Amino acid sequence: AQRVTQVQPTGSSQWGEEVTLDCSYETSEYFYRIFWYRQLFSGEMVFLIYQPSFDTQNQRSGRYSVVFQKSFKSISLVISASQPEDSGTYFCALSELGTNTGKLTFGDGTVLTVKP
Amino acid sequence: NAGVIQTPRHKVTGKGQEATLWCEPISGHSAVFWYRQTIVQGLEFLTYFRNQAPIDDSGMPKERFSAQMPNQSHSTLKIQSTQPQDSAVYLCASSLDITGSQNTLYFGAGTRLSVL
Repeated sequence: AQRVTQVQPTGSSQWGEEVTLDCSYETSEYFYRIFWYRQLFSGEMVFLIYQPSFDTQNQRSGRYSVVFQKSFKSISLVISASQPEDSGTYFCALSELGTNTGKLTFGDGTVLTVKP
Repeated sequence: NAGVIQTPRHKVTGKGQEATLWCEPISGHSAVFWYRQTIVQGLEFLTYFRNQAPIDDSGMPKERFSAQMPNQSHSTLKIQSTQPQDSAVYLCASSLDITGSQNTLYFGAGTRLSVL
């Protein structure tokens, strides 16, 4: 069965610092994707970036990038030059492509506070 | 292009009353998902539709909960005889499809249901 674990319930940084949020997962599938979302204080979930399991290159999108360690089944989200507007709850989620459902399994989230 | 629209944003019901939550997916998206979020359980998958057909309702409580997608422009989640434990944020998401690179879920802002 799939499982996603985010061991850091909270995190903090100063404006301009680089932030790393960790995630580990369990899956028996070969093809899968790991997604990162940020939940705003309003409740809205915003898609940030995803990493396909079959791509050895770490994905990057703007200030967001990931460090994908497939053999350890872990992935980290890296936010460069963090800003107070980046504060919120960050969720890691697993989509197993072999099941062909598009269904996501989420971690418990990490609450990030970026201080001005 | 509007995102996923959920209405109402907040709903308060008395114990035993019915609650209907509405979701309008992004135009052109073929898959619609419902999730429930609580502090204790986190984000839980409830059900999803593809091309309006119900595909997987494995996360739906067997009693009192039902979901429909009568047309491609909206889906509803109905909870009969609401109980205090149904209090949660209900999130709707849509994706272009469920396969390949098109399975990124885009979420609405959620409906916060409070059962008194």
